[in-house]
Amino acid sequence: QKEVEQDPGPLSVPEGAIVSLNCTYSNSAFQYFMWYRQYSRKGPELLMYTYSSGNKEDGRFTAQVDKSSKYISLFIRDSQPSDSATYLCAMSAMGGSYIPTFGRGTSLIVHP
Amino acid sequence: NAGVTQTPKFQVLKTGQSMTLQCAQDMNHNSMYWYQQDPGMGLRLIYYSASEGTTDKGEVPNGYNVSRLNKREFSLRLESAAPSQTSVYFCASSLGRRRDTQYFGPGTRLTVL
Repeated sequence: QKEVEQDPGPLSVPEGAIVSLNCTYSNSAFQYFMWYRQYSRKGPELLMYTYSSGNKEDGRFTAQVDKSSKYISLFIRDSQPSDSATYLCAMSAMGGSYIPTFGRGTSLIVHP
Repeated sequence: NAGVTQTPKFQVLKTGQSMTLQCAQDMNHNSMYWYQQDPGMGLRLIYYSASEGTTDKGEVPNGYNVSRLNKREFSLRLESAAPSQTSVYFCASSLGRRRDTQYFGPGTRLTVL
């Protein structure tokens, strides 16, 4: 079992829908949780960053961490065709290596 | 500020040929990384350099070597390319601290025939 599991999709939704992207993990030491967005033929770019549990909101994006369930989510409200991309979750631990462990990424398609 | 730059953007090699992928960052970051990305496989760490003068193996180092030339530059070398190394290669950099985020380059698309 990989440390970080993420459904590769693709997830296809109509414009305006609320999108929920998720990752599960097995390492209880993970404390830092990140979401990267990767457009086709581009490098990943950081979208959201959260520490420990709770929610963080940035515009149409909300990142949620549930450490008791070892489950993180990224919600996108009022999704737009420009949100079509691959979303990768990443996480790292308080101790040990600071290098993040990435999920495989979920491909999101928002159609007009 | 260019961020992280990579050269070349595309490359086609024949089996057994060698080549070096170049990466440079202008953000004064301490740490640099090389990742491999295949469809549905996410990002796999090949090698990283925590600071100038140090390099360490990642998840998939076999068939690769790296050089941290200076603080700005981190190169990845394929000594004898194999078709299994057909992939997209991303370089990234970060400050190298605990609450760290990585900045990625645009990638190099490599095909080995």
